[in-house]
Amino acid sequence: AQTVTQSQPEMSVQEAETVTLSCTYDTSESDYYLFWYKQPPSRQMILVIRQEAYKQQNATENRFSVNFQKAAKSFSLKISDSQLGDAAMYFCAYRSAWTGNQFYFGTGTSLTVIP
Amino acid sequence: DGGITQSPKYLFRKEGQNVTLSCEQNLNHDAMYWYRQDPGQGLRLIYYSQIVNDFQKGDIAEGYSVSREKKESFPLTVTSAQKNPTAFYLCASSLPRDRGNQPQHFGDGTRLSIL
Repeated sequence: AQTVTQSQPEMSVQEAETVTLSCTYDTSESDYYLFWYKQPPSRQMILVIRQEAYKQQNATENRFSVNFQKAAKSFSLKISDSQLGDAAMYFCAYRSAWTGNQFYFGTGTSLTVIP
Repeated sequence: DGGITQSPKYLFRKEGQNVTLSCEQNLNHDAMYWYRQDPGQGLRLIYYSQIVNDFQKGDIAEGYSVSREKKESFPLTVTSAQKNPTAFYLCASSLPRDRGNQPQHFGDGTRLSIL
């Protein structure tokens, strides 16, 4: 099974500042998909951003962008102009493009936004 | 709007009792999943199903059972054999991986507690 590691259990950021959440994964596959999900206190899981491994260009969604380093097996999430509503648990996830239908999740990073 | 409906939102189990959590989706997704989330923890896979009448055990299947008689429905039974069932349960669905970079869609969850 693939392993997804989020090494920062907790992070904090000042409102309007930028924060980067880290994610690394272990795989021998060359083609796969990566995702970042947000889980606010309501516990609803919300897709933030996704990336295909075959694409060199980093995905962006408004204030959210990723730094995808395939050789390093790293997939960090950058949140710009942080807002109070960004406070949540953030989960990184991996899905193979070739085998099985499972998604592999990291243990999450709890982000606090300081007013 | 399409989505995933989990019910009930809150559920209480007595000792020795089996309880069933409902999960229904109208997204026409083939794959469905059940996750358990403990406080401050990540998502752990209980069971998943790639197609009707087929399902596979996840990492923590002991004490749980599922069925997949219809594409839209994937109920989870927490049996009396599960000695520590208190947790937040999330149901998810997705299109197959051969349909590209398809994320999981999640329900709003069921919180199960022991009486």
